[in-house]
Amino acid sequence: GENVEQHPSTLSVQEGDSAVIKCTYSDSASNYFPWYKQELGKRPQLIIDIRSNVGEKKDQRIAVTLNKTAKHFSLHITETQPEDSAVYFCAAPIISNFGNEKLTFGTGTRLTIIP
Amino acid sequence: NAGVTQTPKFQVLKTGQSMTLQCAQDMNHNSMYWYRQDPGMGLRLIYYSASEGTTDKGEVPNGYNVSRLNKREFSLRLESAAPSQTSVYFCASKLGPWSHEQYFGPGTRLTVT
Repeated sequence: GENVEQHPSTLSVQEGDSAVIKCTYSDSASNYFPWYKQELGKRPQLIIDIRSNVGEKKDQRIAVTLNKTAKHFSLHITETQPEDSAVYFCAAPIISNFGNEKLTFGTGTRLTIIP
Repeated sequence: NAGVTQTPKFQVLKTGQSMTLQCAQDMNHNSMYWYRQDPGMGLRLIYYSASEGTTDKGEVPNGYNVSRLNKREFSLRLESAAPSQTSVYFCASKLGPWSHEQYFGPGTRLTVT
């Protein structure tokens, strides 16, 4: 099965600085890597994802990079703002019976933006 | 369009009691999932249903059962609750086995004393 490791578990950055969260995965067949954001007391929501045929994807202040050779991917948040404070989860897929995809999640990173 | 809904929002049980957590989605999704979230452990898959009429075990299925009642509804049952099942439970759905994005419900916070 897939094993996903996520670091760091907590991260504090000054408002306006950048934040980077890293994940590694074990299954070289994995081809889709999402990042979910969970604000305090709320549900997880997808913020960005990347397919294995690209190395980087950007959406305004957030970007994800993928290194398939090393089997790791990272979330980058630039010009951080107070509303970026949340727990972030990476995930990688397991393709189970009959092509059904389920996700293995990392253990999460609690990001705190210091005003 | 309510998305994914869960009931109840909060529940306190005594050890040995049983209960069913309800989940419904109105997005015409085929695949549905149950996760539990514990501090420092992320989201762990309990059971999933790739499509109506099928269910399969996830990473942590012991102590739970599920029913895919119809395309919209996927319930999670605890037959004899234990303190180790104290957690926040999330239901999620996605369009189909081939699709990627999962949409989560608001969660149920369960405490077993």
